[in-house]
Amino acid sequence: GAVVSQHPSRVICKSGTSVKIECRSLDFQATTMFWYRQFPKQSLMLMATSNEGSKATYEQGVEKDKFLINHASLTLSTLTVTSAHPEDSSFYICSARSTSGVPETQYFGPGTRLLVL
Amino acid sequence: AQSVTQPDIHITVSEGASLELRCNYSYGATPYLFWYVQSPGQGLQLLLKYFSGDTLVQGIKGFEAEFKRSQSSFNLRKPSVHWSDAAEYFCAVGKSGFQKLVFGTGTRLLVSP
Repeated sequence: GAVVSQHPSRVICKSGTSVKIECRSLDFQATTMFWYRQFPKQSLMLMATSNEGSKATYEQGVEKDKFLINHASLTLSTLTVTSAHPEDSSFYICSARSTSGVPETQYFGPGTRLLVL
Repeated sequence: AQSVTQPDIHITVSEGASLELRCNYSYGATPYLFWYVQSPGQGLQLLLKYFSGDTLVQGIKGFEAEFKRSQSSFNLRKPSVHWSDAAEYFCAVGKSGFQKLVFGTGTRLLVSP
């Protein structure tokens, strides 16, 4: 149980294009999903908290117009990197918090590696 | 604000030897504490968590951790390390009714033959 998937697992795009990353909770409902960014050999930095049916809450320093987050259902959140540039290249990881069972626990997806050329 | 310190960036342990990874946290109330493991290029897998009750918690893969309030620590231990345990380990803290986790900088475990 508590499986979270991400798609795609890796993506290469040209500078200036937009990329959408999906995060799905496969066997549980998640009112809250989180998006993290991880640079090589570094820890996870929270980008935003996504609540189903409402606007995402962004961490300080994260551009909300650049990193668009949509949480349209209890099992799906999407992160769109708009007008991507090489400095956006990173490993993006989502997590989901269950609405039942042990809601205090976040379950993580396998991550999406983005490379912007 | 919460913070987490993992003082060891790298640790090398011989296969079969015991392991202890250190984690210290800063938080004003009783924290929710987690240990996650990340293999290269992968997401994070939950090893164990502490919310309340027994301060010694058992996790998956033979790992355990002990919450020591007096030392603000939540160290991860394993009595006998296997080569497959080589990975990055992250300690994280959240608050009661939490919305966010704060992660430590991670400890990379290397296992020597």
